[in-house]
Formats: sequence, C-alpha cells, structure tokens
Amino acid sequence: DAGITQSPRHKVTETGTPVTLRCHQTENHRYMYWYRQDPGHGLRLIHYSYGVKDTDKGEVSDGYSVSRSKTEDFLLTLESATSSQTSVYFCAISRDRGLETQYFGPGTRLLVL
Amino acid sequence: AQKITQTQPGMFVQEKEAVTLDCTYDTSDQSYGLFWYKQPSSGEMIFLIYQGSYDEQNATEGRYSLNFQKARKSANLVISASQLGDSAMYFCAMREGRNGGFKTIFGAGTRLFVKA
Repeated sequence: DAGITQSPRHKVTETGTPVTLRCHQTENHRYMYWYRQDPGHGLRLIHYSYGVKDTDKGEVSDGYSVSRSKTEDFLLTLESATSSQTSVYFCAISRDRGLETQYFGPGTRLLVL
Repeated sequence: AQKITQTQPGMFVQEKEAVTLDCTYDTSDQSYGLFWYKQPSSGEMIFLIYQGSYDEQNATEGRYSLNFQKARKSANLVISASQLGDSAMYFCAMREGRNGGFKTIFGAGTRLFVKA
C-alpha cells in the first residue's frame, strides 16, 4: 500500500470558519492531488501539485487554496467553509505526470454546519 | 458530454460467479490510461487495475481483468469467482494524455452486491 495519510479523518466545523486538511506521503512522489467526492458526482479534482511550491487548479477550485512547502506534505485550506463544502476529501499521489496510477489516501469526512 | 460512463448504478452477483462492470469512455487523445478503483464501505479508494491505450493485451490482476475494446471505447472490469468481500463501489477512470492535460476523470460508479 502507498504510504499516504490524511488528517484529520473526520471534522465537523461551522460555516465561515477556516479549515485545513493535511495530506502526508512517504513515497517521495512528485505529484499530489486533492479530490472531493460527492454523491452523483464521483471524484472531482480541486487542486494538484507538481512539486514544492508548484500548484495548479482543478475543476472545482473555487473556495479552496493549497500549499506545498515540502515534498511529503500537501495542505488543502477552506478559507471560509460553506455547507456546500461538506464532502469527503481524498488526497492522491502519483510518481509523475504521465499516464501514472494515482494512489489514494484514506479520505477525510468534513461536515460544515 | 460525459467522458466516462458507467451505466449500471447497481449490480447483483452470486458468490463464486463472474461479473462484468461496464465502462465506456470518450477521448480524442491517442494516448490515455484506463483505471478501475474499488471503494468498500469503509471508504478508501483501492487501485485495482490499469490498461494503457497502446497495450495490445488486456490487463489482468489476479481475479480482475479489464476487457479493453478500443474501437468501441469500452473498458469493462471482469471479476471472476466473486467473493463476499467484493461488495463495494467500483469506479472507472480515464487519464488523458498530453492533449487532455493528463487529467483523470472518474465515472459515477457501480455498486456491486455479492450474494451468499
């Protein structure tokens, strides 16, 4: 199994508060991704990173920011959480950008009240 | 337009029988990859199998095989000898090549129920 952990695994927060989710990998993979999973939508890409301090937007990036200060850590921040951001968030990694397999972390369940 | 279509929201299969989960895709890229993931009720996403668009042989991984029909743009997952532990949600995904920005697109999933 790929060495990917996410923290916290579960979080309940209130509308308007900032929230940061952490993804940590021990595989030294270059690429890291944040997805959200919602019923009827499958997984949708929020942001991804292709190296330290190198990030780019995915298809549902509004309301989210990311940072990567070390190869092993990729942070997802909800600047001001809204109820529409209640979801399950998955981190994924891949060795490179090509047609590489993405391996997923265990997920974080976020409930915004 | 949907790029990955999984037409079976739910499927039932008897234990020890084989089952095929359908997946069709749409891309103009010549180079792409097709993936299947399993998501059990515990929630994690488990990689099962990969097929490259230039691979001539169908991919196999243990009891999983991918029935790749390029002209039909289909990438069906076949699970042989189903087990109770195979009950889960299954996602088909496509990673497009350079023309598609190397993005991965997921289908909506098929929930498989294995009956004892």
